Amino acid sequence: EIVLTQSPGTLSLSPGERATLSCRASQSVSSSSLAWFQQRPGQAPRLLIYGVSSRATDIPDRFSGSGSGTDFTLTISRLEPEDFAVYYCQQYVKSPVMYTFGQGTQLEIK
Amino acid sequence: QVQLVESGGDVVQPGRSLRLSCTGSGFTFRAHAMHWVRQAPGKGLEWVAILSYDAMNQYYADSVKGRFTISRDNSKNTLYLQMNSLRAEDTAVYYCARDLYCGGDCYSLDHWGQGTLVTVSS
Repeated sequence: EIVLTQSPGTLSLSPGERATLSCRASQSVSSSSLAWFQQRPGQAPRLLIYGVSSRATDIPDRFSGSGSGTDFTLTISRLEPEDFAVYYCQQYVKSPVMYTFGQGTQLEIK
Repeated sequence: QVQLVESGGDVVQPGRSLRLSCTGSGFTFRAHAMHWVRQAPGKGLEWVAILSYDAMNQYYADSVKGRFTISRDNSKNTLYLQMNSLRAEDTAVYYCARDLYCGGDCYSLDHWGQGTLVTVSS
């Protein structure tokens, strides 16, 4: 089973700053199967990025994803007030079929 | 617009059963695989199960295998999760989610319902 470890656990930044969130896999992950989600308090998760770097529908271009192998990054170029939330990475394996989430990074206002 | 609405969450005793439902609208339900994902109070996301668009293939997390069954009725645009032998650790908000279709090689969940709360407690 592939384990995803996100860091940091909590990231404190101010609006307008750049955020860099990390997701490390215990084994190499296919680039087609790494995604990122945002979850605001009391809301369902929202897909931000799939296939490492493709933005989902209606996601602003300040969100970008990168990485390969075991190390992946979600970057938010200039934080807006609505970006302060919890972020999860997610991966998929084919055999056996399984989807796994990281434990999350809390992005909070400094 | 795509909408997913879960229902069926309740307070149940350990060992009992419960069935959740998820009704989809605003898209061709029968064309998409569907997932269940859960989130224990104050915790992260845990994938539970996926069912193919035609209900022919289903896969489960180890934590629910043998106890939970995912199914669907495409004539009713509805996804189900039958949960048997419930445990305290199954307490969570249960989300249904649509499988992402990107026209190529991609594996994620692109639309989510608002969730339904299942509490397992005596």
